[in-house]
Amino acid sequence: DTAVSQTPKYLVTQMGNDKSIKCEQNLGHDTMYWYKQDSKKFLKIMFSYNNKELIINETVPNRFSPKSPDKAHLNLHINSLELGDSAVYFCASSQDKQAGVFGQGTRLTVV
Amino acid sequence: AQTVTQSQPEMSVQEAETVTLSCTYDTSESNYYLFWYKQPPSRQMILVIRQEAYKQQNATENRFSVNFQKAAKSFSLKISDSQLGDTAMYFCAFNSGGGADGLTFGKGTHLIIQP
Repeated sequence: DTAVSQTPKYLVTQMGNDKSIKCEQNLGHDTMYWYKQDSKKFLKIMFSYNNKELIINETVPNRFSPKSPDKAHLNLHINSLELGDSAVYFCASSQDKQAGVFGQGTRLTVV
Repeated sequence: AQTVTQSQPEMSVQEAETVTLSCTYDTSESNYYLFWYKQPPSRQMILVIRQEAYKQQNATENRFSVNFQKAAKSFSLKISDSQLGDTAMYFCAFNSGGGADGLTFGKGTHLIIQP
């Protein structure tokens, strides 16, 4: 069973479109995250969500918004996509102070 | 804010050799957690090893061990008897222990194991 699963794995879309990436974890973890990995492989946290508390990295544009319908899901919505949004997006989850468990990543390409 | 520095963009060693990847960090926290993650070409992020700052004993996981020097804020990863499957990007990461803060990553070291 996949612990943290993201869909889709690949996403190609045009500039200006709105898209979503879904994330689900079956580990019972209480905190979920979204990370962005750029073309130089640098990973940076975008959001964390814990017990209805959302922590936002201040550098993330407000075109990005996480939505959590329940504790096991944290979806990422992106409005008005730009070329610079092309990257790999990782969902992760963790419990207490344990290491994060990552999904397989979604490669987003904006053309 | 915490920072994590990996000063070796790329390293290459022969199979079966021992290799050490360096990582330094900066924080004002007294309790925190440090991690090494491996990212093979498959893109999956895999936890290699975890160290709690309040534990003086260095963590080990089979062929992987760390040298944690708290005063020097250094957290290096040693891979013994390296194997071809160890070829990957390796990321050092920091968590302040607050849980919801997430991980702060270094820029990574691309490790290549030569046959």
